[in-house]
Amino acid sequence: GEDVEQSLFLSVREGDSSVINCTYTDSSSTYLYWYKQEPGAGLQLLTYIFSNMDMKQDQRLTVLLNKKDKHLSLRIADTQTGDSAIYFCAESIGWDSNYQLIWGAGTKLIIKP
Amino acid sequence: DAGVIQSPRHEVTEMGQEVTLRCKPISGHNSLFWYRQTMMRGLELLIYFNNNVPIDDSGMPEDRFSAKMPNASFSTLKIQPSEPRDSAVYFCASRGAGVSSYNEQFFGPGTRLTVL
Repeated sequence: GEDVEQSLFLSVREGDSSVINCTYTDSSSTYLYWYKQEPGAGLQLLTYIFSNMDMKQDQRLTVLLNKKDKHLSLRIADTQTGDSAIYFCAESIGWDSNYQLIWGAGTKLIIKP
Repeated sequence: DAGVIQSPRHEVTEMGQEVTLRCKPISGHNSLFWYRQTMMRGLELLIYFNNNVPIDDSGMPEDRFSAKMPNASFSTLKIQPSEPRDSAVYFCASRGAGVSSYNEQFFGPGTRLTVL
């Protein structure tokens, strides 16, 4: 079945770039997503990319999509302490009423001073 | 809009008791999802509804779990009887048809359930 994999932890120094990686299995996914979960809160959409795009940039965030390898990455430039959170990768499956997301386990981003 | 509302935010109960979690989706949204999050298993989809109809409940762990959506603005997730292994954070999320082209799911703050 469909599966999304990502590493559980990433530790970076404040000011450096963070790169969180994800692999997925469903080549027919329409959208791929990055959600952010801050401590004690629900998940919130951070960014998304349509499957016919290779890259999307939004301020400090850069999403890269390699459809051939089914690899998605999220780069956070100039990482700040406020970026400390768990980042979830998700792929879409299905259509219309059957549309749902398959989630990765989440990567906890740890910022070192 | 107030966003997705969940209640209670925290619930502590004893094994064997019935637990009811509540969710009010964002007004106008027609899809509702119940998730469970634990350290061991991460984020799991339990069940989701489209236009108040359950579409996929294959994630519901066992018969002790049940979910209802009597109308477009309210859903419940019930556990009866509860067990310590049900301890987790339960999230409700909603999505609106045509609200966004990218089908964003909006999450509530979650209910932290502890079964002693």
